[in-house]
Amino acid sequence: GAVVSQHPSWVICKSGTSVKIECRSLDFQATTMFWYRQFPKQSLMLMATSNEGSKATYEQGVEKDKFLINHASLTLSTLTVTSAHPEDSSFYICSAGSGAYNEQFFGPGTRLTVL
Amino acid sequence: RKEVEQDPGPFNVPEGATVAFNCTYSNSASQSFFWYRQDCRKEPKLLMSVYSSGNEDGRFTAQLNRASQYISLLIRDSKLSDSATYLCVVSGNTGGFKTIFGAGTRLFVKA
Repeated sequence: GAVVSQHPSWVICKSGTSVKIECRSLDFQATTMFWYRQFPKQSLMLMATSNEGSKATYEQGVEKDKFLINHASLTLSTLTVTSAHPEDSSFYICSAGSGAYNEQFFGPGTRLTVL
Repeated sequence: RKEVEQDPGPFNVPEGATVAFNCTYSNSASQSFFWYRQDCRKEPKLLMSVYSSGNEDGRFTAQLNRASQYISLLIRDSKLSDSATYLCVVSGNTGGFKTIFGAGTRLFVKA
């Protein structure tokens, strides 16, 4: 399958700081990337859909000013958690769409802990 | 009603057992269907796509019934390494694809 990388794999930060997470498709061009959040023992929750060169589409209840998404190229999307708070601590996973049948390939995830 | 519903887990089975997971979806316009596997504290990984004709990959068989809006995954001869959470995923083709993940079914295979 296609390879998607994510960086960093984990981050610990103080409350009030901003954290940027990068998602890269390494061996294919992804016109669409997705950002998910997963809390312990819960299912994946789609936060936003990111299309290259346009504004991201956010799911209901996700603050677009808090979770800034940039998809400047066909291989890179970034998620910035602004003014992070402890309740933002979660597992953030990106995925990239590829193929005619819309399968998604996931990055390894970023575990964010906000103190 | 949830857009994608899966069997509540967990499933506890002995090695060598056959186990079946079921999934139903509510949007009849859904186009693509997948099973993903997610290990604890890891990202989901595509296990297999699901086609109307059904498809098989080794010990895994997936089937789709569009009329009943139902997807299944059958695992034969379960291995300890099959222990994971299995996610049913449904996707549409409206405005780029909107993909919905089921909550997942946890499988424990024991020696």
